[in-house]
Amino acid sequence: NAGVTQTPKFRVLKTGQSMTLLCAQDMNHEYMYWYRQDPGMGLRLIHYSVGEGTTAKGEVPDGYNVSRLKKQNFLLGLESAAPSQTSVYFCASSSRTESNQPQHFGDGTRLSIL
Amino acid sequence: AQKVTQAQTEISVVEKEDVTLDCVYETRDTTYYLFWYKQPPSGELVFLIRRNSFDEQNEISGRYSWNFQKSTSSFNFTITASQVVDSAVYFCALSGYMEYGNKLVFGAGTILRVKS
Repeated sequence: NAGVTQTPKFRVLKTGQSMTLLCAQDMNHEYMYWYRQDPGMGLRLIHYSVGEGTTAKGEVPDGYNVSRLKKQNFLLGLESAAPSQTSVYFCASSSRTESNQPQHFGDGTRLSIL
Repeated sequence: AQKVTQAQTEISVVEKEDVTLDCVYETRDTTYYLFWYKQPPSGELVFLIRRNSFDEQNEISGRYSWNFQKSTSSFNFTITASQVVDSAVYFCALSGYMEYGNKLVFGAGTILRVKS
């Protein structure tokens, strides 16, 4: 019973490098999300998706891109990493079958940009 | 705009003490949902409770209880007889009813340290 799986769990990048974080869920959820968590700021929504092939901006989308080519996967890309993007990234998913269902979270990816 | 405020940045208690974590929210929606999540030291986020604005009854689950007061826009969380395993960061979150994409707005979190 995997739930939401994020890869990788840790990564160190140099400024200007690019990378993609992968999120996979096996609960057949329609909605998926990417958050970043920074000390004292809680979780802030980067981008989200309400279904395959659709994405939308959240609260802090700048510097990130996303894609949802398959229902079970949601990718977060950093085109040119900056030190300000050092953070812990969480992916989540939720069901559309009933209003305001809880979101289920992955274990997080700790990303450091040097 | 929606906003969630958790004024307590960090709380330290001794095991077996009761502790209340405060959550105050702002929303223009007349119908909305409130959530609490727990983030233990291992880092994952664990869903604890979902409450809709229709239902102002308090809820109890074991040592956990939640006090929802619409009049003061608060949804406080109390842990009775705290244990070391309760040490974690606790987040309160808000979502408008039928919010597009079920988006959540989170508070900054409260770090709870329970000492033995």
